[in-house]
Amino acid sequence: AQSVTQLGSHVSVSEGALVLLRCNYSSSVPPYLFWYVQYPNQGLQLLLKYTSAATLVKGINGFEAEFKKSETSFHLTKPSAHMSDAAEYFCAVTTDSWGKLQFGAGTQVVVTP
Amino acid sequence: NAGVTQTPKFRVLKTGQSMTLLCAQDMNHEYMYWYRQDPGMGLRLIHYSVGEGTTAKGEVPDGYNVSRLKKQNFLLGLESAAPSQTSVYFCASSQQENTEAFFGQGTRLTVV
Repeated sequence: AQSVTQLGSHVSVSEGALVLLRCNYSSSVPPYLFWYVQYPNQGLQLLLKYTSAATLVKGINGFEAEFKKSETSFHLTKPSAHMSDAAEYFCAVTTDSWGKLQFGAGTQVVVTP
Repeated sequence: NAGVTQTPKFRVLKTGQSMTLLCAQDMNHEYMYWYRQDPGMGLRLIHYSVGEGTTAKGEVPDGYNVSRLKKQNFLLGLESAAPSQTSVYFCASSQQENTEAFFGQGTRLTVV
């Protein structure tokens, strides 16, 4: 069985500050890992994905994430927050052949001026 | 390019009523999924399909049925709606298991 834990349901950051969203997973087999973003009243949009090619993954809008097998983590970072980064962020994992995603509970990011 | 389109976007049902949510994708994807999103719980998989004519149960399938008669469409049915089914429903599609899943805009369903 697989599971995903996102630490912190709400994160508040100042504009220009580092954004760090934590994600830990559990899986008995090598996982595929994803970060999705959801803006208000919209669907989910892929930020980045890890599929074993490289442990440091760069995504859209300046986000990146590092896969650390020893820590079973896939934390999301962005060096400098913009107001437009205010959204909910979901970490997700899949390990099976059908692409079924197991999502974390989500982290709401608020950016303050 | 429309991607994944869900119909309707909003609906209010009375307890015991039935309805069908339609999902259509124009990317020729093999895999399609229905998720529900509830506050503090992320998204949970209801049912999924790995090809035309196939369906399978996900994590929370009770009270829902699905059909995939055409590759581009994936229907989610509620036969007898309950207040516990009040949620936001998302349809998604993907080509392979390790590729991006594309999501629709969601259907906000309220059961009173």
